Amino acid sequence: AQRVTQPEKLLSVFKGAPVELKCNYSYSGSPELFWYVQYSRQRLQLLLRHISRESIKGFTADLNKGETSFHLKKPFAQEEDSAMYYCALNPRMGGATNKLIFGTGTLLAVQP
Amino acid sequence: EAGVAQSPRYKIIEKRQSVAFWCNPISGHATLYWYQQILGQGPKLLIQFQNNGVVDDSQLPKDRFSAERLKGVDSTLKIQPAKLEDSAVYLCASSLGDAYNEQFFGPGTRLTVL
Repeated sequence: AQRVTQPEKLLSVFKGAPVELKCNYSYSGSPELFWYVQYSRQRLQLLLRHISRESIKGFTADLNKGETSFHLKKPFAQEEDSAMYYCALNPRMGGATNKLIFGTGTLLAVQP
Repeated sequence: EAGVAQSPRYKIIEKRQSVAFWCNPISGHATLYWYQQILGQGPKLLIQFQNNGVVDDSQLPKDRFSAERLKGVDSTLKIQPAKLEDSAVYLCASSLGDAYNEQFFGPGTRLTVL
């Protein structure tokens, strides 16, 4: 079964501390992985995707197929990073579907 | 550019009543999605349209939920009759097409079923 697991409901760190939001997936094929973010009172929006291999707002994520993980990392957290983060998987099973399977989300709280 | 529009933003109904949600995607986006997000969970895809055709409705409870996108632009999601467990935020999203994967989300409609 296709599944995305985010083990932490809440991650609280101090400003300037490193951040790692964990994401593990279950899928036998070659998925596309994404991180979406929802800031307070804003819409859910794409943060980054693994195929882009880019850094957005200082965040990076590396797909580790051996560990089936796609952890989100940032070396120095900022207060404005406080938000809900969702890891999502597109199984790309063929056809025209562009289905996203979301994890349950991790609330990141960056303390001053 | 204008984002995905949804209405209403909030709706409170009693169980067994009917409710409808409306979504207008970003202009030119061929693909439209409806998600259900229950409190404490991530969004779950209910139905995906490509223009006015259904691509995936495998997780849509078809005995009570229906959705249409007749002209391939805006869409309506209906629940009839509602149950307590339908209380959730209903998110609409759109994307240019299948090849371009970024989905743009609307603000959502928060449904409370009493």
